[in-house]
Amino acid sequence: AQRVTQPEKLLSVFKGAPVELKCNYSYSGSPELFWYVQYSRQRLQLLLRHISRESIKGFTADLNKGETSFHLKKPFAQEEDSAMYYCALRKSGGSNYKLTFGKGTLLTVNP
Amino acid sequence: GAGVSQSPSNKVTEKGKDVELRCDPISGHTALYWYRQSLGQGLEFLIYFQGNSAPDKSGLPSDRFSAERTGGSVSTLTIQRTQQEDSAVYLCASSLAVTGLGELFFGEGSRLTVL
Repeated sequence: AQRVTQPEKLLSVFKGAPVELKCNYSYSGSPELFWYVQYSRQRLQLLLRHISRESIKGFTADLNKGETSFHLKKPFAQEEDSAMYYCALRKSGGSNYKLTFGKGTLLTVNP
Repeated sequence: GAGVSQSPSNKVTEKGKDVELRCDPISGHTALYWYRQSLGQGLEFLIYFQGNSAPDKSGLPSDRFSAERTGGSVSTLTIQRTQQEDSAVYLCASSLAVTGLGELFFGEGSRLTVL
């Protein structure tokens, strides 16, 4: 069974500092990895996915199969980045598109 | 509307009562998911519907929980004989369910409080 671990429940940084939200996964096959974000009083929404190799709002995430990690990084945090971040995994191929989420990390960016 | 719609947005009930939560997905989305969001537990998968396939019910925590999806569109999550530990935000999401894409679009959730 697949599992996603986000070791930090809370993460606090100052504006302009680098930020890294950790995500580790366990899955025997080839996974698809995602980061979802929930800003205060907003719906949960997709931030980025590993398959697209994109940078969204200055965030990037690299899939490291050797370390089974998909950490989310941003070199200079902004106050508007304060939110709850969830890492998620899905099996690639097949017909079951269920996403398994981690427990989330609440990021606070202080002025 | 264009987004996933859930109702009610808030529900307060007494222990032992049954509740029904409704989800109206984005038109054309074949996949529909229910998750439960609670403090300290993150997002727990409950059930997943994909087209006409048998639903994946592997996340339902007990037989008090059930869900159906009628006509491939609207879904109802039913919790029978509610318990205080059922208090949480129940999130519904839908997607086009295409490998490599298949972004999940979430509703605003139904906050359930069991007294």
